[in-house]
Amino acid sequence: GDKVKQSPSALSLQEGTNSALRCNFSIAATTVQWFLQNPRGSLINLFYLVPGTKENGRLKSTFNSKESYSTLHIRDAQLEDSGTYFCAAGGGMLSGSFNKLTFGAGTRLAVCP
Amino acid sequence: EAAVTQSPRSKVAVTGGKVTLSCHQTNNHDYMYWYRQDTGHGLRLIHYSYVADSTEKGDIPDGYKASRPSQENFSLILELASLSQTAVYFCASSDEGAGNTLYFGEGSRLIVV
Repeated sequence: GDKVKQSPSALSLQEGTNSALRCNFSIAATTVQWFLQNPRGSLINLFYLVPGTKENGRLKSTFNSKESYSTLHIRDAQLEDSGTYFCAAGGGMLSGSFNKLTFGAGTRLAVCP
Repeated sequence: EAAVTQSPRSKVAVTGGKVTLSCHQTNNHDYMYWYRQDTGHGLRLIHYSYVADSTEKGDIPDGYKASRPSQENFSLILELASLSQTAVYFCASSDEGAGNTLYFGEGSRLIVV
């Protein structure tokens, strides 16, 4: 099964509304990164997290290592937030060697006027 | 100014031919990575490197070689391209491994016919 499972797989939001994306880990993770792949295909790093919470503008992310999940909250969604959001778990336990990342399959977000 | 640049951005290759994807970073990062993205999926790690003249296998190394001739440059080589290697390839760099933030290039779309 998936080591990093993202939900929902797809989501449609109206402009100005809020939502939360989730990432569940079936393996131990010590760090989490969130990325946005925009419609042009570019991957943009949003957050790098150790256990805890970070906030950047309308985005907020939490990583709970004990319960093995991370969330990405989007407040007041805008059209430019559209794209695919990926979470990736990092940590030595994933590979048995150095701490490479394991990616989820992504959440496709469409923000509509 | 892009800190991780890939070339070519797009390529059509014939089955059995040799393909080289190049990556150059100006981040002064020790770690560099090659990931593969298939339509509708997350990223999977092919090869990575933490120092010049050394490369390591990732999760899906079969059919690929890598070369790190300098800190700034990291190449992915497909000696005998196959149809199943049609995908988008992303190069990335980071400082001190995946425990720190990944910075991606713009991607290289490869179609093998």
